[in-house]
Amino acid sequence: NAGVTQTPKFRVLKTGQSMTLLCAQDMNHEYMYWYRQDPGMGLRLIHYSVGEGTTAKGEVPDGYNVSRLKKQNFLLGLESAAPSQTSVYFCASSPLRQVYSNQPQHFGDGTRLSIL
Amino acid sequence: AQSVTQPDIHITVSEGASLELRCNYSYGATPYLFWYVQSPGQGLQLLLKYFSGDTLVQGIKGFEAEFKRSQSSFNLRKPSVHWSDAAEYFCAVGARKAAGNKLTFGGGTRVLVKP
Repeated sequence: NAGVTQTPKFRVLKTGQSMTLLCAQDMNHEYMYWYRQDPGMGLRLIHYSVGEGTTAKGEVPDGYNVSRLKKQNFLLGLESAAPSQTSVYFCASSPLRQVYSNQPQHFGDGTRLSIL
Repeated sequence: AQSVTQPDIHITVSEGASLELRCNYSYGATPYLFWYVQSPGQGLQLLLKYFSGDTLVQGIKGFEAEFKRSQSSFNLRKPSVHWSDAAEYFCAVGARKAAGNKLTFGGGTRVLVKP
């Protein structure tokens, strides 16, 4: 009964280093999302995917790349980390949208990332 | 584009007292509306959602929310707060024709519960 699993849970990077955050979901959801959470700003969408092999930009995509090679996995990459990317990152997934309703998103527990 | 405002950054309430969290949204039509709760160190958990129909929505943990179209609001309420309700609460809005079930979140309201 894992739901959405994020790895790692914590990470400290130096400016300019690169890393990849992994999100895995076992609910066979079509849609997946990456958010960042900063104090007082709620969650802001970085990138999202509506299906395997497809990705799209969200509200704050600059400095990040994503890939969805498998339906159950959604990777978030930082090519050259900057202090402004210090944040808590959340992954979420959602089933297909219904015709007359929407589907809620299911969240992982987050990755706390510090860039020095 | 839609937006969400949660006017109260922090609220302190005594255990057993009632709680109301405000949420105002901006959207050109009737939106999909959600309330999520985040306990420390955890992800977000869905409390309740509004899609259509009855404007008073019941959720988990004894919470309810009322959609008021005329006020563009979706306030969250609980009649009697428990210490375990201390958390951060987020209101979110989704556009009815948005690709991929995308949501826009408010800035959150942190609730502290006094014994």
